[in-house]
Amino acid sequence: SSELTQDPAVSVALGQTVRITCQGDSLRSYYASWYQQKPGQAPVLVIYGKNNRPSGIPDRFSGSSSGNTASLTITGAQAEDEADYYCNSRDSSGNHLDWVFGGGTKLTVL
Amino acid sequence: EVQLVESGGGLVQPGGSLRLSCAASGFTFSSYEMNWVRQAPGKGLEWVSYISSSGSTIYYADSVKGRFTISRDNAKNSLYLQMNSLRAEDTAVYYCARAGGGQTLYYYYYYMDVWGKGTTVTVSS
Repeated sequence: SSELTQDPAVSVALGQTVRITCQGDSLRSYYASWYQQKPGQAPVLVIYGKNNRPSGIPDRFSGSSSGNTASLTITGAQAEDEADYYCNSRDSSGNHLDWVFGGGTKLTVL
Repeated sequence: EVQLVESGGGLVQPGGSLRLSCAASGFTFSSYEMNWVRQAPGKGLEWVSYISSSGSTIYYADSVKGRFTISRDNAKNSLYLQMNSLRAEDTAVYYCARAGGGQTLYYYYYYMDVWGKGTTVTVSS
């Protein structure tokens, strides 16, 4: 099965821009979706498709993709953005169309 | 309000069984594909199982294949996960999540846009 690789931890100064990346072969065929998870809470979808934000997600969140790498960018990070971020995609490398998550990136806002 | 509410978690001995339920409300449940996703204590998200809107297509992660069974009852707006032969490594918070997707000119995309709050399964003697 395919895997998605994320950096375990990233930090950003308050108000600055941070990029969180996700690498995997499946990203050559499928756009990643991105989820934010705060301690003790369920994940929340923040980006899907080429660069789509669900209703209620601030426009400082954006997504992009190139080759086997997907990126989530937070422009002007806020204290409330401190959370774990997970990428997700489909995986067609096996006999089925499974789903796969990256290992997650812990974002610290300094 | 669009909502998913999981139930059925608890403490079970290794080798035991549990049935999780997910009650959907606020949307046309029968039109949506659904997933179960779990998160072990202190760990990341792990996809567990997928079911199509009609229930005709089902996928499982290798880690649960042959032990877990996903099903749905569209008349009751409910999703289920029957978990048998439970192991300590199945200990996790289990979330149900609504799935969606689409395609652009060159790519497909998929996402899980609505999540429940989760139900905790603990496998221990």
